[in-house]
Amino acid sequence: SQELEQSPQSLIVQEGKNLTINCTSSKTLYGLYWYKQKYGEGLIFLMMLQKGGEEKSHEKITAKLDEKKQQSSLHITASQPSHAGIYLCGAISSGSARQLTFGSGTQLTVLP
Amino acid sequence: GAVVSQHPSRVICKSGTSVKIECRSLDFQATTMFWYRQFPKQSLMLMATSNEGSKATYEQGVEKDKFLINHASLTLSTLTVTSAHPEDSSFYICSARRSGGDYNSPLHFGNGTRLTVT
Repeated sequence: SQELEQSPQSLIVQEGKNLTINCTSSKTLYGLYWYKQKYGEGLIFLMMLQKGGEEKSHEKITAKLDEKKQQSSLHITASQPSHAGIYLCGAISSGSARQLTFGSGTQLTVLP
Repeated sequence: GAVVSQHPSRVICKSGTSVKIECRSLDFQATTMFWYRQFPKQSLMLMATSNEGSKATYEQGVEKDKFLINHASLTLSTLTVTSAHPEDSSFYICSARRSGGDYNSPLHFGNGTRLTVT
């Protein structure tokens, strides 16, 4: 089964600082997804990466997938309190139903 | 577009009773829906895959008789927690994949249901 390790588990940064969250897979990724969640609420889709070396950006968030397609990073530039939440990386399984399974999550706190 | 509605958002029930949670795709058809469970400060754990017109597929360790899933139409899947106990208290969230969509297309998530069993 697909296993995703996220690091760090939690992160506290001062507003304005940059930060990076990592997601490592035990298997080659066919699609890597980043979602954001505030606990007790639904998930917000951020980005999806499919190709080795791919990089996508949206506002101040950039996500990359390495060439071997086993590791992804999510980088936030000049963090703001609105960036706070749980960041989850997810991968589609190779099973017939193509389930989406998630990493352990990273709890981000941004101090004003 | 691509809205998934989950109802109720919060429910409190007494131990021993059953609770039904609905997941609806409002503006698209979904052959496949997924049910997740989330404990405080933890990630989402996939419970089962709900397939329209057929039996659900449960992940290892998930009791199919306890968590009944019905996917009777292309826009509705229900999760029934039977004979609920306090340890079933959790946040349950569903997601849906558009019928005919690329397997790699993002899943659309409901806003979740917080279940508290007293």
